[in-house]
Amino acid sequence: DGGITQSPKYLFRKEGQNVTLSCEQNLNHDAMYWYRQDPGQGLRLIYYSQIVNDFQKGDIAEGYSVSREKKESFPLTVTSAQKNPTAFYLCASSMGQGAGNTEAFFGQGTRLTVV
Amino acid sequence: GDSVTQMEGPVTLSEEAFLTINCTYTATGYPSLFWYVQYPGEGLQLLLKATKADDKGSNKGFEATYRKETTSFHLEKGSVQVSDSAVYFCALREIQGAQKLVFGQGTRLTINP
Repeated sequence: DGGITQSPKYLFRKEGQNVTLSCEQNLNHDAMYWYRQDPGQGLRLIYYSQIVNDFQKGDIAEGYSVSREKKESFPLTVTSAQKNPTAFYLCASSMGQGAGNTEAFFGQGTRLTVV
Repeated sequence: GDSVTQMEGPVTLSEEAFLTINCTYTATGYPSLFWYVQYPGEGLQLLLKATKADDKGSNKGFEATYRKETTSFHLEKGSVQVSDSAVYFCALREIQGAQKLVFGQGTRLTINP
């Protein structure tokens, strides 16, 4: 089955630690995205990538980093510089530029909690 | 930049009531429009979409019509069920630049039996 997989589903981070959230897709999509969702809030874009080896900051990139070494994978690292990382993180993918009438597909999310 | 505005929630209805969730947008050109649904603890699922003016998207009894005159894409359902309780997001895909998805703030819907 084609889809987008996030892991782990739940993640706990100690103060001062970096953690990496995994996102893998087998939909052959060029574009991938990371969003943050806080309780009762909408989605805020952290980073996005339109093609392998290229990515851009979204609206709230501070304290986060990403890489896009493979088309299928777009991991997100939450660094110790992110002062309030407790949130629900959603990864998405879509066909790239030139396919603007197509939707994005979402993973099931990772809930990150600072302990 | 492009933006999407949804009606404020939460919305609480009784089973079999008529549902409308308002969505308006500001955009360059005529972007594709989407409604997504999020059940508790899960990711977003596409509910329906419309890619050009006057298109009607429909799925599972939900409908939305792309109205360029009013820049709106309101979600409707004639008779809601308890299982429709979820958060609903309206979104557009930019037609210029990176063609990112832009989301509204979401509307939480609760249906009481």
